[in-house]
Amino acid sequence: QQPVQSPQAVILREGEDAVINCSSSKALYSVHWYRQKHGEAPVFLMILLKGGEQKGHEKISASFNEKKQQSSLYLTASQLSYSGTYFCGTGQNFGNEKLTFGTGTRLTIIP
Amino acid sequence: NAGVTQTPKFQVLKTGQSMTLQCAQDMNHEYMSWYRQDPGMGLRLIHYSVGAGITDQGEVPNGYNVSRSTTEDFPLRLLSAAPSQTSVYFCASSRTTRGLSYGYTFGSGTRLTVV
Repeated sequence: QQPVQSPQAVILREGEDAVINCSSSKALYSVHWYRQKHGEAPVFLMILLKGGEQKGHEKISASFNEKKQQSSLYLTASQLSYSGTYFCGTGQNFGNEKLTFGTGTRLTIIP
Repeated sequence: NAGVTQTPKFQVLKTGQSMTLQCAQDMNHEYMSWYRQDPGMGLRLIHYSVGAGITDQGEVPNGYNVSRSTTEDFPLRLLSAAPSQTSVYFCASSRTTRGLSYGYTFGSGTRLTVV
C-alpha cells in the first residue's frame, strides 16, 4: 500500500515556508524524499533512517517519527527553484532497497 | 560518467506488439528497478534486481519481464502491449554500503503510448 502524502498540492509565495507530510500504514526503516520537475526524472533530496541517521545534499530538512510511521519535509524561505512535485519513498527493511512511493505533492512557488 | 541511461525516450506501439525498454548504468550499482508513473498515482514498482542474476516482482509486474545478466544492464520487456501500459517508465539504480542506501538515481524516462 502506498504511503499517503499531504497536502496534494500547495501554492506559496517566494520566501514562505512549506511542510509536506508522508504517512505509512506499515513499519518503516527508511524514508526517501525526491523532487520531480515537469517532464524530468525525480531527483534525490534526502534519506532518513530508523535510528536518526540522515543523508542529503540540499538545504532542505526533514524529520522521521518511527513510532507514528510518518515523515515530514520542511522547505524554508522557498525559492522559485523549489517548484515541482515531491515524492516520499518508504522502505520497510534494513538493507532492502525496495521503495514504495507516495502519490506526490505538487508545490508551486510564485514570485 | 553518464549515470542511468534509458532508451528510447519516446515510443508508440500497437496493441499486441512487443518491445524492450533499455536501461544501463555506469556507476556499478547493485540495485536496479523499474517504475511506471501514471497521473495521480505516483511511481509504482514493476520489477527490481539486487544484483546480476537476481530479479523479483514489484507491485505491478503483470505484462512485463526483466532479466539481469550484467551489473550494468536491466532491460524491461513488454510481452504483448496493451493500452493500459501507456505510461512513463523510469529506471532507477542505487548504491548500498552495509545495508545503507545513498538514494536512487533515475534515468530520464521512456514515454510509451500503446494504441
